[in-house]
Amino acid sequence: DAGVIQSPRHEVTEMGQEVTLRCKPISGHDYLFWYRQTMMRGLELLIYFNNNVPIDDSGMPEDRFSAKMPNASFSTLKIQPSEPRDSAVYFCASRRSSVYEQYFGPGTRLTVT
Amino acid sequence: ELKVEQNPLFLSMQEGKNYTIYCNYSTTSDRLYWYRQDPGKSLESLFVLLSNGAVKQEGRLMASLDTKARLSTLHITAAVHDLSATYFCAVDHGGAQKLVFGQGTRLTINP
Repeated sequence: DAGVIQSPRHEVTEMGQEVTLRCKPISGHDYLFWYRQTMMRGLELLIYFNNNVPIDDSGMPEDRFSAKMPNASFSTLKIQPSEPRDSAVYFCASRRSSVYEQYFGPGTRLTVT
Repeated sequence: ELKVEQNPLFLSMQEGKNYTIYCNYSTTSDRLYWYRQDPGKSLESLFVLLSNGAVKQEGRLMASLDTKARLSTLHITAAVHDLSATYFCAVDHGGAQKLVFGQGTRLTINP
């Protein structure tokens, strides 16, 4: 079974550029989560979706961040404009509503110079 | 605000020894999760503890949950090098959708 798929795996960009991270959840999972991991702040939930609808975006750091889920098999996290402090590993996770466990993707390591 | 605290944050131990990682959380929750993360890798689910008194074991790892004390433990028995990793606990917040993670415990097992 394919797990959660994220792309790109690594992204290096310059400050001010737009960055788009992509995620394909596990088929049949109806919850999708975006997390950010940094040394200073650890693992933080940014936003989550249920049945493609954003439920809670209170963890999104500021208006430069936006996330969409146009269908059950695809989600994007966009940062525009990017800043050096956005450098982190961004994880996507998904789960089925009948199971509590969340399954994490491999992550995207973002470096903003 | 829900807070999750792990201790120790760093643990270096010898193969064959036993040790315990502790996870305390600040508000009521009935579900607790343990994850493992290898350097540069993703998070791998180890255990989901769903109720007070729950105990789960997998190989040399055993996790338990005391919801009244708001405490979970991850016990390592006869450690082996392959268990070297960072271990995170996480607690539900908001009905099984929002996980709040502890800081992680970096475990190093030396031969």
